[in-house]
Amino acid sequence: DAGVTQSPTHLIKTRGQQVTLRCSPKSGHDTVSWYQQALGQGPQFIFQYYEEEERQRGNFPDRFSGHQFPNYSSELNVNALLLGDSALYLCASSSGRGDTDTQYFGPGTRLTVL
Amino acid sequence: AQSVTQLGSHVSVSEGALVLLRCNYSSSVPPYLFWYVQYPNQGLQLLLKYTSAATLVKGINGFEAEFKKSETSFHLTKPSAHMSDAAEYFCAVTPLGGYNKLIFGAGTRLAVHP
Repeated sequence: DAGVTQSPTHLIKTRGQQVTLRCSPKSGHDTVSWYQQALGQGPQFIFQYYEEEERQRGNFPDRFSGHQFPNYSSELNVNALLLGDSALYLCASSSGRGDTDTQYFGPGTRLTVL
Repeated sequence: AQSVTQLGSHVSVSEGALVLLRCNYSSSVPPYLFWYVQYPNQGLQLLLKYTSAATLVKGINGFEAEFKKSETSFHLTKPSAHMSDAAEYFCAVTPLGGYNKLIFGAGTRLAVHP
């Protein structure tokens, strides 16, 4: 049983560009959450998708957007990249049944903005 | 808003010594609490979680944590450190009714010396 997978592993972009990160959830999971982890910090919640809709959102600007597909996989899009967007982006999946459902994390995508 | 404070960004112990990583949360209503571990260049792995059942929670790899409402704490312990325990540890909370969105602390890096 494959766990949460993310692609690509690493990505280098320049300021102003746009980027798309991808996530496939663990088998049987229908909820995907995205987190940004800056160097030396804890992950910060970006948003969560359930039934192809954004269910809740953290304190991130509209430059950050997402999508969930019928097979529950998800994309994170970031427009107009800033240097401060350089971080490890983590995807987590869960069953979406409640507050205590364990989130299973992927290995992350390391984004570097030059 | 909910927040998590992890005292000590770096903790160093000798192999075989007690591991104590501290976590305090800010909430008048006890949230759900989690400890995650992150090994270098990897995603996060759940160690244990508190969901209002037993206050002493046992997790994987010999770790356990005790929920103390009076102290708003959820400290992580392990009786005897192993070299393989060297990693970054994150305490996190999920607010009640917040689905399973995680709010993380800044993390504590554990070093284990022979």
